[in-house]
Amino acid sequence: RKEVEQDPGPFNVPEGATVAFNCTYSNSASQSFFWYRQDCRKEPKLLMSVYSSGNEDGRFTAQLNRASQYISLLIRDSKLSDSATYLCVVSNSGYSTLTFGKGTMLLVSP
Amino acid sequence: ETGVTQTPRHLVMGMTNKKSLKCEQHLGHNAMYWYKQSAKKPLELMFVYNFKEQTENNSVPSRFSPECPNSSHLFLHLHTLQPEDSALYLCASSPETGPDTQYFGPGTRLTVL
Repeated sequence: RKEVEQDPGPFNVPEGATVAFNCTYSNSASQSFFWYRQDCRKEPKLLMSVYSSGNEDGRFTAQLNRASQYISLLIRDSKLSDSATYLCVVSNSGYSTLTFGKGTMLLVSP
Repeated sequence: ETGVTQTPRHLVMGMTNKKSLKCEQHLGHNAMYWYKQSAKKPLELMFVYNFKEQTENNSVPSRFSPECPNSSHLFLHLHTLQPEDSALYLCASSPETGPDTQYFGPGTRLTVL
């Protein structure tokens, strides 16, 4: 089983749509969780951290279910500028590093 | 943004060449990282440095040789690479190692002929 698995994508949605990305992780000892965004031919950038209680930042909502080892990202009212690849990232307890999923590409069309 | 810079941005080299990638961070961070990003694969961690000391080598072939002269600079020396080493090489930094947010440089797009 891959350490961090994401929906394969791509997701093609019209502007204004709501889209949800799913991610599962294999290590139950994982402690920290993030969503990064990577634009085409650019570097990854932190979108938001994911907390156990769930957290929201404008149109973006992240949720964590530790029992199911599942993380989600919801984007409401999609904009053209949301088109990018979204990377699910997990940090394991006792390790100094981050483990990245392959990413899910989102294409928002007019 | 100029927090983490990388040079060169693009590099084409032959299998017998020797080249170096450079990374510099202006964020006052103590940890620096090298990642490899190949098409259709997740980012693969290669090396981790914390306070100039290498703390992790993720089973990287010896044809990749990192160097960290200080907390702000990180190099990746390349020699006798293979075509399958063609990828985007990303440098990142964070305040410390651990579950910290990492800040990435723009990457070096490497092609090995």
